[in-house]
Amino acid sequence: EAAVTQSPRNKVAVTGGKVTLSCNQTNNHNNMYWYRQDTGHGLRLIHYSYGAGSTEKGDIPDGYKASRPSQENFSLILELATPSQTSVYFCASGEFSLSNERLFFGHGTKLSVL
Amino acid sequence: AQSVTQPDARVTVSEGASLQLRCKYSSSVTPYLFWYVQYPRQGLQLLLKYYSGDPVVQGVNGFEAEFSKSNSSFHLRKASVHWSDSAVYFCAVTPYNNRIFFGDGTQLVVKP
Repeated sequence: EAAVTQSPRNKVAVTGGKVTLSCNQTNNHNNMYWYRQDTGHGLRLIHYSYGAGSTEKGDIPDGYKASRPSQENFSLILELATPSQTSVYFCASGEFSLSNERLFFGHGTKLSVL
Repeated sequence: AQSVTQPDARVTVSEGASLQLRCKYSSSVTPYLFWYVQYPRQGLQLLLKYYSGDPVVQGVNGFEAEFSKSNSSFHLRKASVHWSDSAVYFCAVTPYNNRIFFGDGTQLVVKP
């Protein structure tokens, strides 16, 4: 079964601090995604990537940066964390070939910005 | 533009009862459609997906969904729910562009 691993599982940060959320996939998927999940908003796409070295803005990229240094790793960076970024963050990997669209999700990172 | 609407934020049913979770989508093309399930403190897992052909698709654990192009809907059904089905269910669509758009989710509570 495809595997997506996120670290850390829980993070408490201070306002104005830098936060890095890491994601590793062993699926050899080209595409990777960062979502945040908030009550009443479902999953919202922050950044995504088509492969090593590429990052694309999703629907809510403001305040976030992304880095894809390799096929396996995709990081989400909050340079100046704010309380409004308190949320649960999910990383996913996937492929979109004919009849094979599917995302594999990590277990999530709960981030609290105080 | 693509969007997904799940009109019911929370659905409560008794164990053994039938279930329908509603999903409406908006898309400029007939998209691929999905239902995902999220158990507490876990990521989403795929339940079933629809590409084309028979509008009724079968998924895991007895779930099925029916696609209706005329109604732009993709409702999820189960004939008899179990307490372990309690979770949050997400409907999602992709217009073939490497992105998936999710609805806000429906929390299913199964009463014993």
